[in-house]
Amino acid sequence: GENVEQHPSTLSVQEGDSAVIKCTYSDSASNYFPWYKQELGKRPQLIIDIRSNVGEKKDQRIAVTLNKTAKHFSLHITETQPEDSAVYFCAATKGAQKLVFGQGTRLTINP
Amino acid sequence: GAVVSQHPSRVICKSGTSVKIECRSLDFQATTMFWYRQFPKKSLMLMATSNEGSKATYEQGVEKDKFLINHASLTLSTLTVTSAHPEDSSFYICSARDPLGEKLFFGSGTQLSVL
Repeated sequence: GENVEQHPSTLSVQEGDSAVIKCTYSDSASNYFPWYKQELGKRPQLIIDIRSNVGEKKDQRIAVTLNKTAKHFSLHITETQPEDSAVYFCAATKGAQKLVFGQGTRLTINP
Repeated sequence: GAVVSQHPSRVICKSGTSVKIECRSLDFQATTMFWYRQFPKKSLMLMATSNEGSKATYEQGVEKDKFLINHASLTLSTLTVTSAHPEDSSFYICSARDPLGEKLFFGSGTQLSVL
């Protein structure tokens, strides 16, 4: 089955700098890759997603890139703000099958 | 996005009791819902897939007699933790795919504490 590895487990950046979180997946048939943001005690919120027929997608300060050949995808957050502090999860799935999550990255934005 | 409602948000119970958690899809129908468990500072672990009108599909290592899942309607799935013990204490969270069947949206979660 699918296996998703996420790095780093913790990331601390200065406010205004960029943050990058990377994930790799094992199943070359996976075709949908969402990213979730989870604040303490809250539900995961979908922040951006990408399908396998696209190499990059951007939404304001957030972007995701996908390299199908290498089977890895990354989340990029630019001009970070304190409210970006949270745990971020990547995930991968094939069609309507179950979503497999990465281990999570705890992002801290230092003022 | 699609809205998924989950209740209760927090439960404290004595060891040996059963606890029911409800998950509802608001303004859309969900033939499939997913139940996750999350330990502090850990990732989401899929417990089971709830299928409307049929038996749930459990992940390896999850006791189906311990975690009873019922999906009796297109908008409601329930998870019952039977004879709860302290080791069952965790954050339980449900999810459902949007009507287009791809994006996954989560309920608000239930923090279960078994004394």
